[in-house]
Amino acid sequence: SYDLTQPPSVSVSPGQTASITCSGDKLGEKYVCWYQQKPGQSPVMVIYQDSKRPSGIPERFAGSNSGNTATLTISGTQAMDEADYYCQAWDISTGVFGTGTKVTVL
Amino acid sequence: QVTLRESGPVLVKPTETLTLTCTVSGFSLSNARMGVTWIRQPPGKALEWLAYIFSNDEKSYSTSLKSRLTISKDTSKSQVVLTVTNMDPADTATYYCARFGVYCSAGSCSPASSGMDSWGQGTLVTVSS
Repeated sequence: SYDLTQPPSVSVSPGQTASITCSGDKLGEKYVCWYQQKPGQSPVMVIYQDSKRPSGIPERFAGSNSGNTATLTISGTQAMDEADYYCQAWDISTGVFGTGTKVTVL
Repeated sequence: QVTLRESGPVLVKPTETLTLTCTVSGFSLSNARMGVTWIRQPPGKALEWLAYIFSNDEKSYSTSLKSRLTISKDTSKSQVVLTVTNMDPADTATYYCARFGVYCSAGSCSPASSGMDSWGQGTLVTVSS
């Protein structure tokens, strides 16, 4: 099976930049999406097709994908960005989610 | 406005079969560019993809759960149904349905790069005797 690995946690100070990685074999050859999930809420897509932002998602969210690693970058992190983040890709016709990263804004 | 709503039992016993329904609005299940997928999340754990269905009835299942899952749809009722057989306490989770994009070319379809853009609120299913 195809696996996507993320760091369990990332801490960031308000206004600073948070980077969350997602690693998988030849991940750069697939499209990656990122989802934000706040406690008690359903996930919300913040990045699709590696680097595109859905309507309504702030510009401080950016994505990239190359080689074996995709990265979600949150610039000028705000308290409201504290959440769990999941990467996701399709391995041919099978969906795969990353292990998830808890972002804490200190 | 696109909405998805999951419904089903809150509590099931071990070995029973779980049947969940996802009722959608704001788009049609006959739309070739859209599909519906199911995802679950055990308490405090990560998201796990389960299955999807396209408008042409093409389906795909999680490799690890394939033998226990069945997905189907009733386009006239705007509903997608997921059944999970032989439920176990380890299947206790919040179950979500979501809409995602589908790309079709030359008669072959696959999940698009547009992601899962709309999610239901989720339904918590507990497996206990």
